[in-house]
Amino acid sequence: DARVTQTPRHKVTEMGQEVTMRCQPILGHNTVFWYRQTMMQGLELLAYFRNRAPLDDSGMPKDRFSAEMPDATLATLKIQPSEPRDSAVYFCASGIPGSSYNEQFFGPGTRLTVL
Amino acid sequence: DQQVKQNSPSLSVQEGRISILNCDYTNSMFDYFLWYKKYPAEGPTFLISISSIKDKNEDGRFTVFLNKSAKHLSLHIVPSQPGDSAVYFCAASHLNRDDKIIFGKGTRLHILP
Repeated sequence: DARVTQTPRHKVTEMGQEVTMRCQPILGHNTVFWYRQTMMQGLELLAYFRNRAPLDDSGMPKDRFSAEMPDATLATLKIQPSEPRDSAVYFCASGIPGSSYNEQFFGPGTRLTVL
Repeated sequence: DQQVKQNSPSLSVQEGRISILNCDYTNSMFDYFLWYKKYPAEGPTFLISISSIKDKNEDGRFTVFLNKSAKHLSLHIVPSQPGDSAVYFCAASHLNRDDKIIFGKGTRLHILP
């Protein structure tokens, strides 16, 4: 049963602390996307990778957010330092470029609360 | 500037009736449109798609209609069932340009007993 996994599922932290979220894409998928869901903005694309190379991180606050793919089975999203306005659900998704409609498969999300 | 707009944050429909969710887009270069469904505490899951060369795609109780001249699409669910209560995201992609999908803000559908 191939699925995208994300850890942790929930994270509560204090302002100023570093937060690291992890994602394991579906085996064989070589595009990985990070989204943030908030009530106001819906699903915002933060960054995406193809074959582990970052292609677009224009949606990410550069001063505090960073996204990497150390290997094909792991993507990370870090926030340092975290702020209360970063509280949201963060989703990772993976896909296969050139698929018929760019379908993406989402993980269950990490709910982040910054106090 | 939002390229994909879902102007109704929520919608309530009686069980058994038709649910119609609407979506507007601004970029005429989009060539595929998708609908995703999201339950609480889960990630969005793909529901149905339509190519820009078509005006209708049907899959069981779900039908998506595309009106390119109006830059408008809609998702029809007939008949609506309790399990359809979820948030529905409209999305669009430009296959020849990149791998990205642009999502709307979502519409929360409540199916009333």
